[in-house]
Amino acid sequence: SQELEQSPQSLIVQEGKNLTINCTSSKTLYGLYWYKQKYGEGLIFLMMLQKGGEEKSHEKITAKLDEKKQQSSLHITASQPSHAGIYLCGATSGGGADGLTFGKGTHLIIQP
Amino acid sequence: EAGVTQSPTHLIKTRGQQATLRCSPISGHTSVYWYQQALGLGLQFLLWYDEGEERNRGNFPPRFSGRQFPNYSSELNVNALELEDSALYLCASSLGHRNQPQHFGDGTRLSIL
Repeated sequence: SQELEQSPQSLIVQEGKNLTINCTSSKTLYGLYWYKQKYGEGLIFLMMLQKGGEEKSHEKITAKLDEKKQQSSLHITASQPSHAGIYLCGATSGGGADGLTFGKGTHLIIQP
Repeated sequence: EAGVTQSPTHLIKTRGQQATLRCSPISGHTSVYWYQQALGLGLQFLLWYDEGEERNRGNFPPRFSGRQFPNYSSELNVNALELEDSALYLCASSLGHRNQPQHFGDGTRLSIL
């Protein structure tokens, strides 16, 4: 079965600083999804990456997919308090409409 | 556009009882997914329904079951509740096609006493 490892597990960053979260898969990635969760709440969809080398940006968040390394990174530029939360990467094993396997998450804290 | 809605928000049960959780997908979405997020275990896939049929299930015992109705809403039933079933249960929906993102509801917090 596919496993996703996220690093770091937790991250404390001063407001205004940049940061990167990584997600590495044990198997070939057919599609990689990034979500944000506030404690005890639902997941907010951020971005979906499908092709090797693909890069997407939304506001100050950029995600990239390295197919060869079976890895994705999420980069936040000039972090703000609103970026605080738990970031989760998810992937399907076959690329179809199936249940997602998730990493254990990266807990991001933004210090003023 | 309304998002995925789940009810109830909180549910308290005792061991051995049954729990029923409900989910309404985003309008136009035919696939519904259920996930369990238990403390320390992360988010785990439970069930996937599409067009009224169960398409796949995760590594959970048969006492976790559900169904999808003709209007694409879904129910998750958990029988013979155990203490370790205490978790946040999240429902998600998607268009049901290849590589479409899943959109999540706010979840039902199930507590077993």
